[in-house]
Amino acid sequence: KAGVTQTPRYLIKTRGQQVTLSCSPISGHRSVSWYQQTPGQGLQFLFEYFSETQRNKGNFPGRFSGRQFSNSRSEMNVSTLELGDSALYLCASSFTPGLADYEQYFGPGTRLTVT
Amino acid sequence: TQLLEQSPQFLSIQEGENLTVYCNSSSVFSSLQWYRQEPGEGPVLLVTVVTGGEVKKLKRLTFQFGDARKDSSLHITAAQPGDTGLYLCAGEVSGGYNKLIFGAGTRLAVHP
Repeated sequence: KAGVTQTPRYLIKTRGQQVTLSCSPISGHRSVSWYQQTPGQGLQFLFEYFSETQRNKGNFPGRFSGRQFSNSRSEMNVSTLELGDSALYLCASSFTPGLADYEQYFGPGTRLTVT
Repeated sequence: TQLLEQSPQFLSIQEGENLTVYCNSSSVFSSLQWYRQEPGEGPVLLVTVVTGGEVKKLKRLTFQFGDARKDSSLHITAAQPGDTGLYLCAGEVSGGYNKLIFGAGTRLAVHP
């Protein structure tokens, strides 16, 4: 089975711009979660989607948003980029409901640099 | 707010030594997962522990979940240079719809 894929892998944007990141989960997985990883804060939960519905959201400003499509692919959007948004954005997929729905598999991430 | 404290932050050892990484919380988690991450890549799942007191072994790695499901440990026997990396523990929040709370990570360097 192919793993979680994320595009693009690297991105450089300017302050004030907006960005959209994409995530394709493992085939059959219906839940997609997004995380932000920075050296200072580590890995922090952004939000989780299942069947096109956001079920949980972390403590991030409204500039961070996401969505999920009927094929379980997900996108996250960050508007009005700030320097502090520079991070590795990770997507994780899992199979819900059923066995081992707590096991999440991460993609390689998108490295976003804001200048 | 649920927190996971992971220790030590850094570990530099010689090949062949044993080591233990700890993950502690005052909160109960539905499950606890251990990941290993290489620079510039996503975390790779090593193991998931679900039941209090559970012990799982993966070759030279032994994972244990505390009886109260609040803490966990990772023990590596006879470490090898290939074990070098960032080890992360992550607790699944009860009713959190796959929300994971991550520890800060332990950066392990194993020298030949």
